[in-house]
Amino acid sequence: KAGVTQTPRYLIKTRGQQVTLSCSPISGHRSVSWYQQTPGQGLQFLFEYFSETQRNKGNFPGRFSGRQFSNSRSEMNVSTLELGDSALYLCASSLWGTPYNSPLHFGNGTRLTVT
Amino acid sequence: QQQVKQSPQSLIVQKGGIPIINCAYENTAFDYFPWYQQFPGKGPALLIAIRPDVSEKKEGRFTISFNKSAKQFSLHIMDSQPGDSATYFCAASKAAGNKLTFGGGTRVLVKP
Repeated sequence: KAGVTQTPRYLIKTRGQQVTLSCSPISGHRSVSWYQQTPGQGLQFLFEYFSETQRNKGNFPGRFSGRQFSNSRSEMNVSTLELGDSALYLCASSLWGTPYNSPLHFGNGTRLTVT
Repeated sequence: QQQVKQSPQSLIVQKGGIPIINCAYENTAFDYFPWYQQFPGKGPALLIAIRPDVSEKKEGRFTISFNKSAKQFSLHIMDSQPGDSATYFCAASKAAGNKLTFGGGTRVLVKP
């Protein structure tokens, strides 16, 4: 079974631009979560989608948004990029969205660099 | 507010040693505590997880100890190998939803 696939792997953008990251979950998984990983702040939860609905949201500004499609694939968008948005963005999928019964499986991330 | 505190930040042990990583949490509503292992260039991978009704859980060479009253839990890596060299993250979440709160991570180096 293929794992969680994130594209692209690397991205370089300029301040003020916007960016869209893509995530394909494991086949059959209906929950997709996004996390930001930085050396200073560690791993921080962005949001979670389940059956195309946002179920949870972290403490990030409105410039960070996401969506999930009917095939469970998900995208996240960051508008008006800032230097501090440089990070590894990780997508994780699970079957049902309750971590004890269906653990999270992470992709290898998209490395975003904002210059 | 850092709800899950992890220590130490880094750890060096000899092959065969037992690295111990500790985590403490504040939110008593947390009831699921996983540990993740991350290698450079890869996403975190689930190692082992525990719920508060269990004080210890073993999977292979990895053991979680859980102290509910102290709101602390720890990971022991028995008979550590150079291939265990990685960054380890503890995390916590409530039963519903997939919002994991992560500790800051511990970089473990196992010397041959």
